[in-house]
Amino acid sequence: EVQLVESGGNLIKPGESLRLSCAASGFTFSNAWMSWVRQAPGKGLEWVGRIKSKTDGGTTDYAAPVKGRFTISRDDSKNTLYLQMNSLKIEDTAVYYCTTGQDAATIYYFDYWGQGTLVTVSS
Amino acid sequence: SSELTQDPAVSVALGQTVRITCQGDSLRSYYASWYQQKPGQAPVLVIYGKNNRPSGIPDRFSGSSSGNTASLTITGAQAEDEADYYCNSRDSSGNPHVVFGGGTKLTVL
Repeated sequence: EVQLVESGGNLIKPGESLRLSCAASGFTFSNAWMSWVRQAPGKGLEWVGRIKSKTDGGTTDYAAPVKGRFTISRDDSKNTLYLQMNSLKIEDTAVYYCTTGQDAATIYYFDYWGQGTLVTVSS
Repeated sequence: SSELTQDPAVSVALGQTVRITCQGDSLRSYYASWYQQKPGQAPVLVIYGKNNRPSGIPDRFSGSSSGNTASLTITGAQAEDEADYYCNSRDSSGNPHVVFGGGTKLTVL
């Protein structure tokens, strides 16, 4: 059974940093392309970014609102995905979901999701 | 970047058929996928690609597409189908990004 368990969410002040983790199990994590998706309170889903598997280059891509402030990384030896968030803004307040992403030529979908972790940015 | 537009709210009588739509230029080139989200829970993939259902998703859920519009159809809606539904696709602007629709709140009457 695929399991994704996020952790690290917290209440923090604008300008501060936070790192989220996602522990994966039930599949071959090292082969997976992983994404973070967030959801502000009462709002819709927003893609944050993704990281390819190391065999596919291990490269990252980010949505415009977080590019340059957020960094996605992975530790395949620990089956863990990370999201380093710097210079946090109030508008980054959201539940952050770890997901497995399937990226093909004509489709990009997210088949497994964690339960999410809440990040609240407030002064 | 691309945008996907969904009706904010749709209602359906119990046992009837409902169609939830998603419009956007990216859908002319890329398939949509659909997610169901119930209050306080993570999204669940219900349809992906041309019309594929993950294991465990009832066959009353189906997907279709025409031009710039993708549709999720629930045939014989059940009370447990009341939820928010989101579509997504690749971004058609040439970068490897992803876009989501704003979501549709489905009420089963």
